[in-house]
Amino acid sequence: NAGVTQTPKFRVLKTGQSMTLLCAQDMNHEYMYWYRQDPGMGLRLIHYSVGEGTTAKGEVPDGYNVSRLKKQNFLLGLESAAPSQTSVYFCASSAGLAGRQETQYFGPGTRLLVL
Amino acid sequence: GNSVTQMEGPVTLSEEAFLTINCTYTATGYPSLFWYVQYPGEGLQLLLKATKADDKGSNKGFEATYRKETTSFHLEKGSVQVSDSAVYFCALSDPTDSSYKLIFGSGTRLLVRP
Repeated sequence: NAGVTQTPKFRVLKTGQSMTLLCAQDMNHEYMYWYRQDPGMGLRLIHYSVGEGTTAKGEVPDGYNVSRLKKQNFLLGLESAAPSQTSVYFCASSAGLAGRQETQYFGPGTRLLVL
Repeated sequence: GNSVTQMEGPVTLSEEAFLTINCTYTATGYPSLFWYVQYPGEGLQLLLKATKADDKGSNKGFEATYRKETTSFHLEKGSVQVSDSAVYFCALSDPTDSSYKLIFGSGTRLLVRP
């Protein structure tokens, strides 16, 4: 099992460019999440999905879009990158069974620099 | 709203020293509490968790007890090793929130010197 994988590992963008971050999990998890990590601020939730074909906004969704066309994949898109989106992006997944506090499993992260 | 507060880092210790990293939370209900660890260049890994008051989570020599009366979940280890150098995150999950999202503290960097 690879667990949660993220592509790419590192990317440099110019302001206004677009890109898609890919997250894949092989644990058959229902729930998937995108977080961003900034110095001194911990991780903040961008968007999440509770199942194939569903998405929902998190704490800091502005400037991002997501899609969950397949259960194992969760894509994060930046339509027009801004320097404020320079961050480390983490994807996570969990089984999300009702009534239980399921562990989230994290990918290795994508470091994004917007110039 | 729900929130988590952690002690500021970095925390620098000598090998075999005792470790405490403080974590307090604010929540309207009865959250589950977690400690995640992030080693350099890696993603976050679950270290331990507790789902109700007075529960003690433990793993790899680390322990934390869910204290509802003080709304705390402090992380402790009796004898740290150089390999414990990492960033530690306290987090909570609200069982009434169907997203099961995690709310994180800001993280505490631990550096253990030989």
